Amino acid sequence: EIVLTQSPGTLSLSPGERATLSCRASQTVSSNYLAWYQQKPGQAPWLLIYDASSRATGIPDRFSGSGSGTDFTLTISRLEPEDFAVYYCQLYGSSRTFGPGTKVEIK
Amino acid sequence: QVQLAESGGGLVKPGGSLRLSCAASGFTFSDYYMSWIRQAPGKGLEWVSYIYSRPNTIYYADSVKGRFTVSRDNAKNLLYLQMNSLRAEDTAVYFCARGHYNMDVWGQGTTVTVSS
Repeated sequence: EIVLTQSPGTLSLSPGERATLSCRASQTVSSNYLAWYQQKPGQAPWLLIYDASSRATGIPDRFSGSGSGTDFTLTISRLEPEDFAVYYCQLYGSSRTFGPGTKVEIK
Repeated sequence: QVQLAESGGGLVKPGGSLRLSCAASGFTFSDYYMSWIRQAPGKGLEWVSYIYSRPNTIYYADSVKGRFTVSRDNAKNLLYLQMNSLRAEDTAVYFCARGHYNMDVWGQGTTVTVSS
C-alpha cells in the first residue's frame, strides 16, 4: 500500500505570503492520480486540485498543483485570510489513501 | 444546487449497529460513484467505502471489511452505510461524498460515537 507523507506538519505564514506544501508518496503514483483538499474546522473537506495539477471548479487561480511520480506540491501564491486551514493530499486509482495533512496557520 | 446530507449518526455501545443515510440532490445520482469517508476526532481522513451500481462495484477499507455494508437506492437518491459490530475506533464523523477518485461534493457529516 502506498503511504503519503505531508510536510511540513504546520506552516506559519502571514496573509499575502506564498505557501508551499509537499506531499510525498512511498511509491510512484500512477497517472498522477493525486488530489488536494482544504478543510476548515467543523467543515467538510473541499476539493482544490485533482490529477495533480487540475484546479477543481470554482477554485481561485492562486491555488496550483504540480509534481509527478512520488513528489507533489500544492502552492498558494498569496495567502488570503480564508486560506488558513488544513490541507490534505489524497491518492486515488489503484490505491486510496489520504496524507496526514498540513496545517497552514496565521503567523 | 448539488447537495449531500448525511443522517443517522449517534451514540452506540461497542458491538452495536447503526445505519447511516446520505440524501443526494441536484445531480443525477445514479451516474456517480459515491463514497463514505470518516474522520476520527482530531485526526485525518480515512476512506471507508465506495459504490457504483452500473456495474455493481463496491470497495471497503480493510478496517471495516466484513462489518460495514454500503448500498444505494438510485430511485430515492439515497446512499447507505450499515455499520455492525462497532468498535471504539469507529468513532468518527462520517462524510458521504460524490465520486471515488477525487470527491468534488461532500456532505456536512454525521457523528458516530461508540462508547459504553
